[in-house]
Amino acid sequence: NAGVTQTPKFQVLKTGQSMTLQCAQDMNHEYMSWYRQDPGMGLRLIHYSVGAGITDQGEVPNGYNVSRSTTEDFPLRLLSAAPSQTSVYFCASSRTYTGELFFGEGSRLTVL
Amino acid sequence: KQEVTQIPAALSVPEGENLVLNCSFTDSAIYNLQWFRQDPGKGLTSLLLIQSSQREQTSGRLNASLDKSSGRSTLYIAASQPGDSATYLCAVDSGGGADGLTFGKGTHLIIQP
Repeated sequence: NAGVTQTPKFQVLKTGQSMTLQCAQDMNHEYMSWYRQDPGMGLRLIHYSVGAGITDQGEVPNGYNVSRSTTEDFPLRLLSAAPSQTSVYFCASSRTYTGELFFGEGSRLTVL
Repeated sequence: KQEVTQIPAALSVPEGENLVLNCSFTDSAIYNLQWFRQDPGKGLTSLLLIQSSQREQTSGRLNASLDKSSGRSTLYIAASQPGDSATYLCAVDSGGGADGLTFGKGTHLIIQP
């Protein structure tokens, strides 16, 4: 029962570096999304995808890129890391656009 | 823009008590409402999903109700246990695409043994 798997769990970057947060799900879900969770701000949607080949921006997309080449994978790319991107990132998936959402364990990113 | 508020922000009760967590939202045009549990350093676990046409959902000791017209949902936990200690988050799906789910900031619950 893998569900939604995120890697890495922890990462420290220097300002200006780039990296990719990986997300994979084995439930054949069409809908996948990335959220960031910050103290006092709650969870905010970064990008989402309603199926392979289709992505769209969420509430806070600046500084992030996504792609969806397969149903299973939805990586999140940080193009040039900034301290404001220090956060905990969660990947989530659901069978349908408005279905029950399943979350990964999170990736804690620190940008120095 | 949808706003979700959870009251109280923190709650500490002795083991065995029944308790109610509250969630309110500003726009009643919703698709569904979900309650999640988050343990420290972990992801969110879905507890209950209530569709907009439903009034309540039950799972074990948990019961969630939805009153769309008043913009309120409650999560009732019966016979609380120390293992119920966690942060409980309410999230509203307005089907708004770019907004995704709108989350409340959660209620941090501690059940004292």
